[in-house]
Amino acid sequence: SQKIEQNSEALNIQEGKTATLTCNYTNYSPAYLQWYRQDPGRGPVFLLLIRENEKEKRKERLKVTFDTTLKQSLFHITASQPADSATYLCAHPPDYGQNFVFGPGTRLSVLP
Amino acid sequence: EPEVTQTPSHQVTQMGQEVILRCVPISNHLYFYWYRQILGQKVEFLVSFYNNEISEKSEIFDDQFSVERPDGSNFTLKIRSTKLEDSAMYFCASSEFSPGGSLSGELFFGEGSRLTVL
Repeated sequence: SQKIEQNSEALNIQEGKTATLTCNYTNYSPAYLQWYRQDPGRGPVFLLLIRENEKEKRKERLKVTFDTTLKQSLFHITASQPADSATYLCAHPPDYGQNFVFGPGTRLSVLP
Repeated sequence: EPEVTQTPSHQVTQMGQEVILRCVPISNHLYFYWYRQILGQKVEFLVSFYNNEISEKSEIFDDQFSVERPDGSNFTLKIRSTKLEDSAMYFCASSEFSPGGSLSGELFFGEGSRLTVL
């Protein structure tokens, strides 16, 4: 079955630096990938979607890339701020059906 | 901005009791879901619901679980006889489009219902 791995459970960076989070998937190639933000005790919030024919997508300080050869998506937050501290989840649609597959998440801490 | 609302925010129950978690999805959405997240673990799919019937369910969603859309707005998850391992945060989500379609199935999540089974 499809599996998503996110490179690290936790990532600490200094304010102002760029945070880079990795999402790797196995088996089939999804038509698109999504990134969500989850704050403690709250529901995930959609951030960005990137399709398989797009190399890069940007939204304000966020940038997502999608490399179907490496089966990997990178999620970047530039000029990071303490308010960016949260868990970031990678997700993709199923090969068939409606079961979105979520990765385990990377907990980002931006230190002032 | 439209949002998914869930009640209760926290429920404590005794093992073996029935629990109903309620959700009001976004009004023009057609696809509804329940996900579960055990503390410290990943978000896990339970069930999806479309056109007034279950469209897909996971292995977690056994005979103790059921879903219903009793009217045009509410979407409920019932756990018939709760077990200790059912303790988790339960998230309701809805989407305008099917995840597997050509249009993106961005999920809108509620804030969750934390279930504690004693």
